[in-house]
Amino acid sequence: GENVEQHPSTLSVQEGDSAVIKCTYSDSASNYFPWYKQELGKGPQLIIDIRSNVGEKKDQRIAVTLNKTAKHFSLHITETQPEDSAVYFCAASSNWGAQKLVFGQGTRLTINP
Amino acid sequence: DAGITQSPRHKVTETGTPVTLRCHQTENHRYMYWYRQDPGHGLRLIHYSYGVKDTDKGEVSDGYSVSRSKTEDFLLTLESATSSQTSVYFCAISESLTEYIPGYTFGSGTRLTVV
Repeated sequence: GENVEQHPSTLSVQEGDSAVIKCTYSDSASNYFPWYKQELGKGPQLIIDIRSNVGEKKDQRIAVTLNKTAKHFSLHITETQPEDSAVYFCAASSNWGAQKLVFGQGTRLTINP
Repeated sequence: DAGITQSPRHKVTETGTPVTLRCHQTENHRYMYWYRQDPGHGLRLIHYSYGVKDTDKGEVSDGYSVSRSKTEDFLLTLESATSSQTSVYFCAISESLTEYIPGYTFGSGTRLTVV
């Protein structure tokens, strides 16, 4: 089955700097890669996703890149702000029917003012 | 989270007792999922449902059972709770289309402590 590895487990950056979180996956059949943000005491919330027919996707300060050959994908946050502090999860899905997501271990991002 | 409600939000129970967690959705989504979240493990799939009375196991299903008698409700039962089942449990919903796979919508979670 699919296995997703996420790094780093913790990341601390200065406000205004960029943050990058990386994930690798094992199943070459995976075709959907979402990123979730989880704030304290809340459920994860989808912030951006990418499908296997696209190499990069941007949404304002957030971007995701996908390298299918190397089986890795990354989340890039530019011009970080205090409200970006949260736990971020990557995920991968190789099952079109049931859409079962396999999640990475999570990255705790802290933005220092 | 709009359209999905988990109950209870917090529960403390004793080892060996049965526990049922409820997930209720108002979105009429086909798929419903139960995940558990533990430090260092991210979110791991326990069980999922692809329709009324249609369920299947995830990667950590031992000790758990589920039922879905109505589209809107998905129940997770711990038949005999153990300390290893202390965790935060999240329900999620999704609607899968042929060419577009939307993301999950997660509930707010249930924090379960087994003492």
